[in-house]
Amino acid sequence: RKEVEQDPGPFNVPEGATVAFNCTYSNSASQSFFWYRQDCRKEPKLLMSVYSSGNEDGRFTAQLNRASQYISLLIRDSKLSDSATYLCVVNIQYSGTYKYIFGTGTRLKVLA
Amino acid sequence: GAGVSQTPSNKVTEKGKYVELRCDPISGHTALYWYRQSLGQGPEFLIYFQGTGAADDSGLPNDRFFAVRPEGSVSTLKIQRTERGDSAMYLCASSLRGGGAGTGELFFGEGSRLTVL
Repeated sequence: RKEVEQDPGPFNVPEGATVAFNCTYSNSASQSFFWYRQDCRKEPKLLMSVYSSGNEDGRFTAQLNRASQYISLLIRDSKLSDSATYLCVVNIQYSGTYKYIFGTGTRLKVLA
Repeated sequence: GAGVSQTPSNKVTEKGKYVELRCDPISGHTALYWYRQSLGQGPEFLIYFQGTGAADDSGLPNDRFFAVRPEGSVSTLKIQRTERGDSAMYLCASSLRGGGAGTGELFFGEGSRLTVL
């Protein structure tokens, strides 16, 4: 079982739609959580951190459920420019060291 | 520069050759990470440096892969006897500090695309 799992998609949605992605993680020692965005042939960039109480940044809402070990990202009022791959990232403790583990990514295509 | 710099941006080599990929992190960032990304996959962890030392090299696929960071800044990923399966994008990222609760953002370079013929 992968440490971080995501539905690879693609999710094809019309402009203005609301779309949600989920991500599950297997290691209960996971410390912190993030969503990164990666455009085609570009490097990943931080979209937002995910806090236990949930957090919102404009049209984007992230939530964390530690009991069920999943993270979600909700995008409201989708724009064409939201088309990208969304990577779920978990910072996991291993024997006193930490590393960031990435999911496969979920591809989103917003259609005009 | 202000960001993470990786060179070369593209490298084409023949099977069996030796390759070095360089990463220059953001000044002052103590943590440095190497990842490998194949098409349609997420970045796969290779190695993590905290300062000069490799804190975790558990992601290196075999002993043909090695990385150094001798002065705690620039890092070099070295691949010996390259194989066609090594072809991928190699991404370097740096962070102001290492992991742990409240861990900082990863800043990525644009990557080095390696093609082994």
